[in-house]
Amino acid sequence: GIQVEQSPPDLILQEGANSTLRCNFSDSVNNLQWFHQNPWGQLINLFYIPSGTKQNGRLSATTVATERYSLLYISSSQTTDSGVYFCAVLPNFGNEKLTFGTGTRLTIIP
Amino acid sequence: KAGVTQTPRYLIKTRGQQVTLSCSPISGHRSVSWYQQTPGQGLQFLFEYFSETQRNKGNFPGRFSGRQFSNSRSEMNVSTLELGDSALYLCASSLGPLAGDTDTQYFGPGTRLTVL
Repeated sequence: GIQVEQSPPDLILQEGANSTLRCNFSDSVNNLQWFHQNPWGQLINLFYIPSGTKQNGRLSATTVATERYSLLYISSSQTTDSGVYFCAVLPNFGNEKLTFGTGTRLTIIP
Repeated sequence: KAGVTQTPRYLIKTRGQQVTLSCSPISGHRSVSWYQQTPGQGLQFLFEYFSETQRNKGNFPGRFSGRQFSNSRSEMNVSTLELGDSALYLCASSLGPLAGDTDTQYFGPGTRLTVL
């Protein structure tokens, strides 16, 4: 099946810093989503972005489908940004199930 | 619009018992998917239901089963619990195949199951 890898696995930053999280996938996809899992386990949708660029406040995402990667940018980090960020993809072919990446654990220090 | 709700939020069981978890999707959503999250294996897909039919299934043993009712609410059942079944079980709802490739999943808060 499709492989989804995220980097870095862990990231510790000072409040106010910017960060870039990466998601690489091994096959072409129809659907790519970014999620934030807060410390209580709740997964929150951030972006639906199979291609192109989107922005929402301090967050933006870019997916280059032809090169099979997506980037999530977080600017001016706040402590509430802490948690685990997942990308999830739906492959073009084969079993139609959303496959999650390994996640990036982001810790923002005040 | 109310979000996805899951009950119970926390559950403690002993080995050999069985458990039933419940998920109520967002109003209008007809697809419900279940995931298991553990520190070692990450987020793994269990199954997806749409219009009361199982549409897709992950690689889990037959002890894991589910169903969906006519109001789109879903339950999953785990029989003969093992220590390794301790996990956060997440349910997600979406419009389903009617939305095509743009289908977006919205997750509930999860049920944290501990097997002793």
